[in-house]
Amino acid sequence: EVQLVESGGGLVQPGGSLRLSCAASGFTFSSYWMSWVRQAPGKGLEWVANIKQDGSEKYYVDSVKGRFTISRDNAKNSLYLQMNSLRAEDTAVYYCASFVIAVADSTVRTGWFDPWGQGTLVTVSS
Amino acid sequence: SYVLTQPPSVSVAPGQTARITCGGNNIGSKSVHWYQQKPGQAPVLVVYDDSDRPSGIPERFSGSNSGNTATLTISRVEAGDEADYYCQVWDSSSDRHVVFGGGTKLTVL
Repeated sequence: EVQLVESGGGLVQPGGSLRLSCAASGFTFSSYWMSWVRQAPGKGLEWVANIKQDGSEKYYVDSVKGRFTISRDNAKNSLYLQMNSLRAEDTAVYYCASFVIAVADSTVRTGWFDPWGQGTLVTVSS
Repeated sequence: SYVLTQPPSVSVAPGQTARITCGGNNIGSKSVHWYQQKPGQAPVLVVYDDSDRPSGIPERFSGSNSGNTATLTISRVEAGDEADYYCQVWDSSSDRHVVFGGGTKLTVL
């Protein structure tokens, strides 16, 4: 069974740091792009970051660039999100997801998220 | 950056057909993916690449995409289909960004 399990969420003060982890099982983790997607309370989905299979390419939404770092350890089947300089607006449930890509002419044509983890809540508040 | 527009809510009676739209500039030139999210649960992929269904998703879920509008169609709606639905695209023109629509709450009357 394909499974993604996030951990590391919690309450943190503004300006603080937190590291999220995602443990993958049931599929060949090293063969897939991976992503973080977040959802603020009562709001919609927001893509946060993507990382290529070997970690050589990383992409971020503008609002977290310079503050968040996505990384992975293929030997441990694990994905991470280091979050620094946290703000109140970073409060959200953070989901780990496999990002499935379709390639055309050697470039990424499109990509979708499947499956998703159950999410971990990050609350930034004093 | 690329913007996807969804109606905030759609209502439909059981057994009828629900159509949820996702608008974007020339969205027909992109591939659209759809997710279902029930309260307190993680999203689930229900349609990918405009009209393909993952294994385990009922045939009642279908998608189309043309011009400036993509549509998720749910036939023979059931009470269990009540959920939030999100469209998503890969915007290759903006530094590898992924874009979600704002979401549509489907209410089964």
